[in-house]
Amino acid sequence: GQNIDQPTEMTATEGAIVQINCTYQTSGFNGLFWYQQHAGEAPTFLSYNVLDGLEEKGRFSSFLSRSKGYSYLLLKELQMKDSASYLCAVRDRGLSFGAGTTVTVRA
Amino acid sequence: DSGVTQTPKHLITATGQRVTLRCSPRSGDLSVYWYQQSLDQGLQFLIQYYNGEERAKGNILERFSAQQFPDLHSELNLSSLELGDSALYFCASSDRDRETYEQYFGPGTRLTVT
Repeated sequence: GQNIDQPTEMTATEGAIVQINCTYQTSGFNGLFWYQQHAGEAPTFLSYNVLDGLEEKGRFSSFLSRSKGYSYLLLKELQMKDSASYLCAVRDRGLSFGAGTTVTVRA
Repeated sequence: DSGVTQTPKHLITATGQRVTLRCSPRSGDLSVYWYQQSLDQGLQFLIQYYNGEERAKGNILERFSAQQFPDLHSELNLSSLELGDSALYFCASSDRDRETYEQYFGPGTRLTVT
């Protein structure tokens, strides 16, 4: 089975940094994805890690440690529009998603 | 706009009925995935098709079925509908030749079963 855990909610101030952790125990592993989803909208791709280490993409970075079954998404210079749900997903055959972390950015 | 289209946007139907959701993948994408997102279950993988063939199955109920046609569009059929089937149904597509296998999600179909 798949077990993917991430915090339910996080709150941060505009301009700050937030780190969303994700731990996983899955039967297979072919990469870890982070998606952003605004309420009622489709998930949109943020990042992909298949090897250990840090992937940086503008204000967003994602880290993976396969031996620890651990990833994090780092959001820097937070903007109000970053208020959304962030989904950690492990690719086996389809994508197995965590329940999502709702990030609220306050002025 | 991801390039993935889904119809209809909204669907309201009664228990026991059958509905068909339609998805057109991005141009050139051979893989289509179906997901169900409900408030209490999060985003759940249902099934994947690749170039017309079923490739992987997730948490798809026996009352649900899908197919991918030669033009690569896909349909998800939901039958004997129950109140608990009310959810957002997303279709996603990917180009399986790309290393990242990024999936592009359509806007979803919101199904309400009354």
